[in-house]
Amino acid sequence: DQQVKQNSPSLSVQEGRISILNCDYTNSMFDYFLWYKKYPAEGPTFLISISSIKDKNEDGRFTVFLNKSAKHLSLHIVPSQPGDSAVYFCAASARTNAGKSTFGDGTTLTVKP
Amino acid sequence: ETGVTQSPTHLIKTRGQQVTLRCSSQSGHNTVSWYQQALGQGPQFIFQYYREEENGRGNFPPRFSGLQFPNYSSELNVNALELDDSALYLCASSLRITEVTDTQYFGPGTRLTVL
Repeated sequence: DQQVKQNSPSLSVQEGRISILNCDYTNSMFDYFLWYKKYPAEGPTFLISISSIKDKNEDGRFTVFLNKSAKHLSLHIVPSQPGDSAVYFCAASARTNAGKSTFGDGTTLTVKP
Repeated sequence: ETGVTQSPTHLIKTRGQQVTLRCSSQSGHNTVSWYQQALGQGPQFIFQYYREEENGRGNFPPRFSGLQFPNYSSELNVNALELDDSALYLCASSLRITEVTDTQYFGPGTRLTVL
């Protein structure tokens, strides 16, 4: 039973437009959520996080939204750039230990020039 | 500031053999987590080490074991290798202060192939 799901394996958007990546979770014990970006031959790189006490967190072009009642979060990238092309992983953990995270299977984002 | 490093980069073993993977944590970090990433999947938590003790384990059999050293570097050992152990093994370090472990930072991984 997968506790963190990213239902879209891939997403393609035009440069300058918005990219929206989605993630669903099932475990109510999760109270800390993270997004990682991964390029080929590199480890995942931390992008942005959100605690369950918030419903939105923004960092530059990246915004994460959390809907606790729906157990759903999304990552918005505005505007999208070709350098954003990568695999994006959603992860969930307890706030007290982000080092024990449960990951989704990732969404491959392609931003076309 | 030194990032997380892992060695070796690639490794090929045969079924039944044993393997040791190594990880140096980021400067200032005291906690190391290990993950297995199979092709097309997300990383799966294997275990975490804090102050040289195992601090939580995922759904992996006992033939997966680890060590953390006083300088916070770590090893992952896998005995009796099986074909399904072929994966990218990721090490991540983080800083634990009192009871809270903050965001983790990943190394580039070790690609293990079992033939």
